[in-house]
Amino acid sequence: QKEVEQDPGPLSVPEGAIVSLNCTYSNSAFQYFMWYRQYSRKGPELLMYTYSSGNKEDGRFTAQVDKSSKYISLFIRDSQPSDSATYLCAMVTYGQNFVFGPGTRLSVLP
Amino acid sequence: NAGVMQNPRHLVRRRGQEARLRCSPMKGHSHVYWYRQLPEEGLKFMVYLQKENIIDESGMPKERFSAEFPKEGPSILRIQQVVRGDSAAYFCASSPGSSREWADTQYFGPGTRLTVL
Repeated sequence: QKEVEQDPGPLSVPEGAIVSLNCTYSNSAFQYFMWYRQYSRKGPELLMYTYSSGNKEDGRFTAQVDKSSKYISLFIRDSQPSDSATYLCAMVTYGQNFVFGPGTRLSVLP
Repeated sequence: NAGVMQNPRHLVRRRGQEARLRCSPMKGHSHVYWYRQLPEEGLKFMVYLQKENIIDESGMPKERFSAEFPKEGPSILRIQQVVRGDSAAYFCASSPGSSREWADTQYFGPGTRLTVL
């Protein structure tokens, strides 16, 4: 079992839809959880950063962490064609290196 | 405020040649991380450096790969005698503090795409 699993997609949605992106993980020691967005042939860009369980909202984006289920989510409301990218989850605990999921490719159709 | 800089953006090498990838961290950042990304795969950690120190190279292949972050100048990832399997995107990230000790977020450069012919 991989340390972090993520559905690779591609996920295609119409403009304006609510998008749900998810990661599961196996290491219960992870404490910090991040979502990165990566446009084609670009570097990953940090979107959201959360500590432990709970929700965090930033504009159209909401990050959710459920440590009991080892499951994290990123919701995108009112999705736009400019949201089309690959979304990578990442997680870390003290003394360890970041571990990234393989990414989910999202396509928002106009 | 310039972000993380990487050069070259694209690098083509023939098998057996050397590849040198450069990374200048964000201003004020003294921690540098190198990752490799293969198509349809996530970012794989390679090495973590601070100025003049290699902190963790557990993700680096044992042979042909080396990294440094000198007191002055950019961090360098060096691949000797490249093979076709080295073709990938190599990303550098930097953080103000140690991501391992403080979970500081990492900021990524645009990457260097290495193609080995």
